[in-house]
Amino acid sequence: GENVEQHPSTLSVQEGDSAVIKCTYSDSASNYFPWYKQELGKRPQLIIDIRSNVGEKKDQRIAVTLNKTAKHFSLHITETQPEDSAVYFCAASKNSNYQLIWGAGTKLIIKP
Amino acid sequence: GAVVSQHPSWVICKSGTSVKIECRSLDFQATTMFWYRQFPKQSLMLMATSNEGSKATYEQGVEKDKFLINHASLTLSTLTVTSAHPEDSSFYICSARGQTRENEQYFGPGTRLTVT
Repeated sequence: GENVEQHPSTLSVQEGDSAVIKCTYSDSASNYFPWYKQELGKRPQLIIDIRSNVGEKKDQRIAVTLNKTAKHFSLHITETQPEDSAVYFCAASKNSNYQLIWGAGTKLIIKP
Repeated sequence: GAVVSQHPSWVICKSGTSVKIECRSLDFQATTMFWYRQFPKQSLMLMATSNEGSKATYEQGVEKDKFLINHASLTLSTLTVTSAHPEDSSFYICSARGQTRENEQYFGPGTRLTVT
């Protein structure tokens, strides 16, 4: 069935450095790729999303890239800060049912 | 805009009882609502998709007679966990899809269910 693979499962970076999280998806019909940040016990918070007609999108320190041919998309966080520590999820959906297929999550740890 | 509320935020119930969780879209009409369950240190698992006025579509492995979903209006969906057991203890999150940004889902704050 449809699935989204996410790597790494844990990422530890020094404060100020960059963090990259990668996802691959299996369904070529997927056309919407959001990234969520989830803190313990809280709801997922949309931090950035990209649609299949765009290759890259940036919002301040956060950027997402999409390679439709390879079915890869990645989250890039630059100048990481302690408050970036959380679990990040990628997801993919398509217009036929709008269901989100979730990655397994990446625990991002920012070391001071 | 696009606020989704969920009630209660946490609940403790005894094994064998039923618990109802409400999900409301406060400032928009939700064409579709989704119910998720999340176990500790795991991803969100879609339980069911509900469209207003029609029966919910359950994912494989989710018992529809145990997890009753009602989507009576464009702003309210409810999930009832019937005859709850300790293994039903989890974090339940709803999300709602609006009519403008079609793909985007807006999440409720979640309900922590503990069955003793």
